[in-house]
Amino acid sequence: EPEVTQTPSHQVTQMGQEVILRCVPISNHLYFYWYRQILGQKVEFLVSFYNNEISEKSEIFDDQFSVERPDGSNFTLKIRSTKLEDSAMYFCASRVWAEDTDTQYFGPGTRLTVL
Amino acid sequence: AQSVAQPEDQVNVAEGNPLTVKCTYSVSGNPYLFWYVQYPNRGLQFLLKYITGDNLVKGSYGFEAEFNKSQTSFHLKKPSALVSDSALYFCAVLNTGGFKTIFGAGTRLFVKA
Repeated sequence: EPEVTQTPSHQVTQMGQEVILRCVPISNHLYFYWYRQILGQKVEFLVSFYNNEISEKSEIFDDQFSVERPDGSNFTLKIRSTKLEDSAMYFCASRVWAEDTDTQYFGPGTRLTVL
Repeated sequence: AQSVAQPEDQVNVAEGNPLTVKCTYSVSGNPYLFWYVQYPNRGLQFLLKYITGDNLVKGSYGFEAEFNKSQTSFHLKKPSALVSDSALYFCAVLNTGGFKTIFGAGTRLFVKA
């Protein structure tokens, strides 16, 4: 069964450094998402992406964040200057298309630790 | 605004007993409702969904959920709990337009042998 993959599984970085989290969505999916889960808390929507542009973003997704689909397979989340409070689990998800009311498929997550 | 509430932080149940994890929602229009499970240090695993049709939805691992429009609820149920069901369960709603999933705070299920 196809699945969403994410790399790395765990990223440790120093405050102020840039990080790039990578995701490979399911191959025929067209909508892509990033979510964040701070330890022990709820899963929060960050951003959705379709047709090479952001469809919707939350208030969490400020100028420090950016997303990109640099090629036909990868979908990345960049945090330009990490803060301690960016430490969280980051989940990528994908769906086929907007009219498909089926589920989003989530990746296993990247645990980001900012020191 | 669309929202999901899981009123219980934790549910404890003995193995073999039935379990219920509660969820209520607030949406405009028809709700698209989901349950996900998260095991320790793992990602979000899809359990089941309600889009339309029968109010009782069956999903993975013997779980089912009952959609109740009048009570705006979508409670997760299983007739006989297993110790391996112990995990964090999230109720979620896909918002109008389908661009994002809104999650509840999660309910931690403990099944005791």
